[in-house]
Amino acid sequence: DAKTTQPTSMDCAEGRAANLPCNHSTISGNEYVYWYRQIHSQGPQYIIHGLKNNETNEMASLIITEDRKSSTLILPHATLRDTAVYYCIVRVYGTTDSWGKLQFGAGTQVVVTP
Amino acid sequence: NAGVTQTPKFQVLKTGQSMTLQCAQDMNHNSMYWYRQDPGMGLRLIYYSASEGTTDKGEVPNGYNVSRLNKREFSLRLESAAPSQTSVYFCASREFGEKLFFGSGTQLSVL
Repeated sequence: DAKTTQPTSMDCAEGRAANLPCNHSTISGNEYVYWYRQIHSQGPQYIIHGLKNNETNEMASLIITEDRKSSTLILPHATLRDTAVYYCIVRVYGTTDSWGKLQFGAGTQVVVTP
Repeated sequence: NAGVTQTPKFQVLKTGQSMTLQCAQDMNHNSMYWYRQDPGMGLRLIYYSASEGTTDKGEVPNGYNVSRLNKREFSLRLESAAPSQTSVYFCASREFGEKLFFGSGTQLSVL
């Protein structure tokens, strides 16, 4: 699996868009980008994933650069409840033996302030 | 729809004691997982079950056993607890690809 690099922390004002970068310069053609977040004392929560097209769901948008070497998770209107550690994970859409064996790195601690 | 339910939420054990962490999901998922999370270490996979009737070791299986009782339930057992097993334990089930649903965790302290 390709390695990812994320900033250690970032702040965001409530109501503003939060743009979370992730670098995955060694990503290969069959690897997807997944985003999870973990609110303090809770289990990780799936947010979104994508291969090469931009994706949007009710929680966030995922923008993947054309060369796929980096991506940005966008929380369009951050709220205090979005304060969490955000994890960017790159994974091959693999076989039964490999699914679910996620490696969560350090992630980005996002603090949304009033 | 409860999702993934873990019990207990908190547990304190003495070294050498045994206990079982329970996990149940109501989403009809085939695959289930047990992770542990330690400060500065991220989440590490202990065991997983790709489908009912099968279990396999993850990254850190030593000191643990698991049972996939049926499609809904996947339990994690510590036969002889050690202080190094003090951690937060998360159970998860998989919908597709790498989309996992996690429980709220069990905070375990071994004294």
